[in-house]
Amino acid sequence: DTAVSQTPKYLVTQMGNDKSIKCEQNLGHDTMYWYKQDSKKFLKIMFSYNNKELIINETVPNRFSPKSPDKAHLNLHINSLELGDSAVYFCASSLDRNEQYFGPGTRLTVT
Amino acid sequence: GDSVTQMEGPVTLSEEAFLTINCTYTATGYPSLFWYVQYPGEGLQLLLKATKADDKGSNKGFEATYRKETTSFHLEKGSVQVSDSAVYFCALGHSGNTPLVFGKGTRLSVIA
Repeated sequence: DTAVSQTPKYLVTQMGNDKSIKCEQNLGHDTMYWYKQDSKKFLKIMFSYNNKELIINETVPNRFSPKSPDKAHLNLHINSLELGDSAVYFCASSLDRNEQYFGPGTRLTVT
Repeated sequence: GDSVTQMEGPVTLSEEAFLTINCTYTATGYPSLFWYVQYPGEGLQLLLKATKADDKGSNKGFEATYRKETTSFHLEKGSVQVSDSAVYFCALGHSGNTPLVFGKGTRLSVIA
């Protein structure tokens, strides 16, 4: 059973397009996150949701909009994609003590 | 703010060599400390953790001890295998489900 799943695994699109990445966790966790990993493998938090409420919103362009329809899902919508958005995006979830479980990642390539 | 500093890689070792990847941190309060591993093409997996000073986390032959006096959480393994080749991330977190703060990762390559 997959604990944290993301779709799609790969996403290739052109500049200016709008795309979404979906994330689902079946662990019963209350908190979900989106991280961005750049080409040098550096991981940075983008958003954090707790019980469908946004609790962390780092300095991210407002072209990025997370949406949490329920506790088990946290989707990431990106408008007007730019070359610099190319990265691997990871969804994660946690229950307590910060032990976070990560999804397999979505590799976004903007051409 | 909180930060994590890891030794820069890549680290290349022969099979059965001893591994140390250094990690130091700066944080307020008493964070939990973690090592995550990322195998090629995969997401991050929790390797081990320690939640208070002097705790030792261990898993799959890897160990790390939470040293408050030196603000360190160095990862060690006595005998690495080719299958250990991956990127290793040190991270810290506070209670309340706050996001983790990651180091920049250290790539390990083990050659037969």
